[in-house]
Amino acid sequence: GNSVTQMEGPVTLSEEAFLTINCTYTATGYPSLFWYVQYPGEGLQLLLKATKADDKGSNKGFEATYRKETTSFHLEKGSVQVSDSAVYFCALSDGGGGADGLTFGKGTHLIIQP
Amino acid sequence: DAGVIQSPRHEVTEMGQEVTLRCKPISGHDYLFWYRQTMMRGLELLIYFNNNVPIDDSGMPEDRFSAKMPNASFSTLKIQPSEPRDSAVYFCASSLGLHIRHEQYFGPGTRLTVT
Repeated sequence: GNSVTQMEGPVTLSEEAFLTINCTYTATGYPSLFWYVQYPGEGLQLLLKATKADDKGSNKGFEATYRKETTSFHLEKGSVQVSDSAVYFCALSDGGGGADGLTFGKGTHLIIQP
Repeated sequence: DAGVIQSPRHEVTEMGQEVTLRCKPISGHDYLFWYRQTMMRGLELLIYFNNNVPIDDSGMPEDRFSAKMPNASFSTLKIQPSEPRDSAVYFCASSLGLHIRHEQYFGPGTRLTVT
């Protein structure tokens, strides 16, 4: 079945540091890949997505590239801010014969210190 | 649009009581999803609907859980009887349609505590 593995954290960084959150996946077929962000007390928000190999999703300074050869979709940001503190979820959807919902990783709690 | 609306935001109940969680999807969205989030298991899909019809309920943990969607603007998730292990945050999400159905918009969640 489908699965997503990501570093669970917490990941603690200083403001303006470089961020990488690793995400790898297992899926049949050609899934779409997503990063969601959850701020304290709120629901998940779509941060970025990529629907095919070598696509790069980007939003709010975050980027992730769909790497089919390494089955990865690592999230990066060049200079993080305190306001980026949140839980980040990597997810996939294969759109195949199974459930059309998303398969999520367990989430990575990111803490940015001033 | 106000986004996906869930109520209540917090629910505390005693073991054995019936609990009903409510969701209003974004107008025009054909798909509605219910998820459960716990520390141990992360986010799990419980059930989803397409055009008010349940499509896949394989994630529903047991018969104590039931979900309905009587119309395009309202869905409920009911737990009867509730147990302490049901304590979690329950999210509702909706998406537009087949072409971009995998872009889901989440509500703020209902935090359920069963004592």
